[in-house]
Amino acid sequence: GESVGLHLPTLSVQEGDNSIINCAYSNSASDYFIWYKQESGKGPQFIIDIRSNMDKRQGQRVTVLLNKTVKHLSLQIAATQPGDSAVYFCAENIAGANSKLTFGKGITLSVRP
Amino acid sequence: KAGVTQTPRYLIKTRGQQVTLSCSPISGHRSVSWYQQTPGQGLQFLFEYFSETQRNKGNFPGRFSGRQFSNSRSEMNVSTLELGDSALYLCASSLNPDTQYFGPGTRLTVL
Repeated sequence: GESVGLHLPTLSVQEGDNSIINCAYSNSASDYFIWYKQESGKGPQFIIDIRSNMDKRQGQRVTVLLNKTVKHLSLQIAATQPGDSAVYFCAENIAGANSKLTFGKGITLSVRP
Repeated sequence: KAGVTQTPRYLIKTRGQQVTLSCSPISGHRSVSWYQQTPGQGLQFLFEYFSETQRNKGNFPGRFSGRQFSNSRSEMNVSTLELGDSALYLCASSLNPDTQYFGPGTRLTVL
């Protein structure tokens, strides 16, 4: 069945370093992918998205890479800051599934000062 | 633009009771989706409403239901509450079928 998974449950990085969070998906029918950030006590916050016809998309300090060949998605955060500490989720939307998002389990990013 | 709002933010109920949660989407958004978030299962899709019609449904028992009003506001109801229903219930709204914006959630505790 369809599933979205994250390779690591936690990631600890030094402030100022770049962070890379990885995600694997299994459904080749997925055509839209989103990264969310969730801070304690809050709902998931949209970070960046990418469609399956793209390999890379850049935002402010964030880049999402999509490798459809190996069904892999990654989120790169440049110059990681303490405010980036949160749980990060990747989510996929399958064509024709309307707004049904399938989420990965989540990875905790901890930024060391 | 105001974000997605959910009420109440916290709720404590006992087993067997029922509960109704409310969600107001971002102005102009007609799609509202509900998700359940637990430490063990993560974020799981409950259902989606668009123009007052349920457009999609996840794998949850019939005790979980919802509806949407003409102003796009949505409610979800859980009847005959079980301990396992304790979770953060998240509502998300979208203008198109893809980008969803989440509210802060309602933390439901079932005793």
